[in-house]
Amino acid sequence: DTAVSQTPKYLVTQMGNDKSIKCEQNLGHDTMYWYKQDSKKFLKIMFSYNNKELIINETVPNRFSPKSPDKAHLNLHINSLELGDSAVYFCATTGGGETQYFGPGTRLLVL
Amino acid sequence: QKEVEQNSGPLSVPEGAIASLNCTYSDRGSQSFFWYRQYSGKSPELIMFIYSNGDKEDGRFTAQLNKASQYVSLLIRDSQPSDSATYLCAVRGGGGSARQLTFGSGTQLTVLP
Repeated sequence: DTAVSQTPKYLVTQMGNDKSIKCEQNLGHDTMYWYKQDSKKFLKIMFSYNNKELIINETVPNRFSPKSPDKAHLNLHINSLELGDSAVYFCATTGGGETQYFGPGTRLLVL
Repeated sequence: QKEVEQNSGPLSVPEGAIASLNCTYSDRGSQSFFWYRQYSGKSPELIMFIYSNGDKEDGRFTAQLNKASQYVSLLIRDSQPSDSATYLCAVRGGGGSARQLTFGSGTQLTVLP
């Protein structure tokens, strides 16, 4: 069983559209994250949730809205997509130890 | 603003050699230091973490930390072609930073057969 899963794996869309990415973890962890990795491989945290509550919100445009319906899920909705949003988005989770477990990534291309 | 800096490479070493990857960080309050490996098209995976000054060894990997110099490195002994990947250094602050990690931009390593 995959510990952290994301859907979709690839997402190609037009500028101005609204899209969502879903993340689920089956490790029973309390903390989940969204990261954005640009073309230069720079991995930057966007949001962190602990037990469904937002605890970190880095400087991210408010077009990005995370939602955590329960502690196993953290979804990311993006409004009015822009070219600069093209990146790989990783969901991750940690349960109190040192390891952050990353999902497989969602490759978003905005045309 | 926390910053973590790495040479982007690419770094090429012959098979069997020692690969040395370096990282500096700006926040003196940083408590924990991590090395993640990321294969092309895959997600990052943790290979080592270190808290205390000095060396920590795990198989062919050795992490080295010098808090006075704000420097952390990763040595890979007997490098193998399968070690070819991007290596991401990550740093976590203390206190209320939760488990937030700040990542460097990675060093691309190629091990030549």
